[in-house]
Amino acid sequence: ETGVTQSPTHLIKTRGQQVTLRCSSQSGHNTVSWYQQALGQGPQFIFQYYREEENGRGNFPPRFSGLQFPNYSSELNVNALELDDSALYLCASSSGTSSYNEQFFGPGTRLTVL
Amino acid sequence: GQNIDQPTEMTATEGAIVQINCTYQTSGFNGLFWYQQHAGEAPTFLSYNVLDGLEEKGRFSSFLSRSKGYSYLLLKELQMKDSASYLCAVPYSGNTPLVFGKGTRLSVIA
Repeated sequence: ETGVTQSPTHLIKTRGQQVTLRCSSQSGHNTVSWYQQALGQGPQFIFQYYREEENGRGNFPPRFSGLQFPNYSSELNVNALELDDSALYLCASSSGTSSYNEQFFGPGTRLTVL
Repeated sequence: GQNIDQPTEMTATEGAIVQINCTYQTSGFNGLFWYQQHAGEAPTFLSYNVLDGLEEKGRFSSFLSRSKGYSYLLLKELQMKDSASYLCAVPYSGNTPLVFGKGTRLSVIA
């Protein structure tokens, strides 16, 4: 059974640029959630995808967008990068959208915006 | 909405017992999670409590009181590898997206 993988591991961008982060969900999982974790903070929910549709969104501006593909892998896109977007971006996959479905986190992508 | 509060930092001695507290306020309750996160790594699941009481899993136990909006994680026989952040989290209404506390950074010293 393959776990959740994310790419790239680290990324450095400059203010105003755009970035795409990728996540492959665990085998058999159809739900992917994305979180942003600033240094010293807990993860903050960005949005969730279930069977290729957005299924909930946290308090993030529209320049944060996403996609889920038929194989349930997912992308997080961030436009017009700001310095405060520097964080660890985590994706988590689960076998459903219920709170009873355990989420499995990937290793994260460390984004630095200069 | 959901609000979670937990201490920022704790220090404990190798071999000892430590209790990490978490208080929460939610508009509806769908269970409480504890995750462990080593520096620079992904959170890993420790426990999920939906009913009141203590659940034990090896050296780790988790307690929940729904009437008090309170949970704690109990770590026994502390080891150096237990040095990590411990995150308390509750789901948004019945869905899996989680609201996390800021985490408690535990340092285990010799």
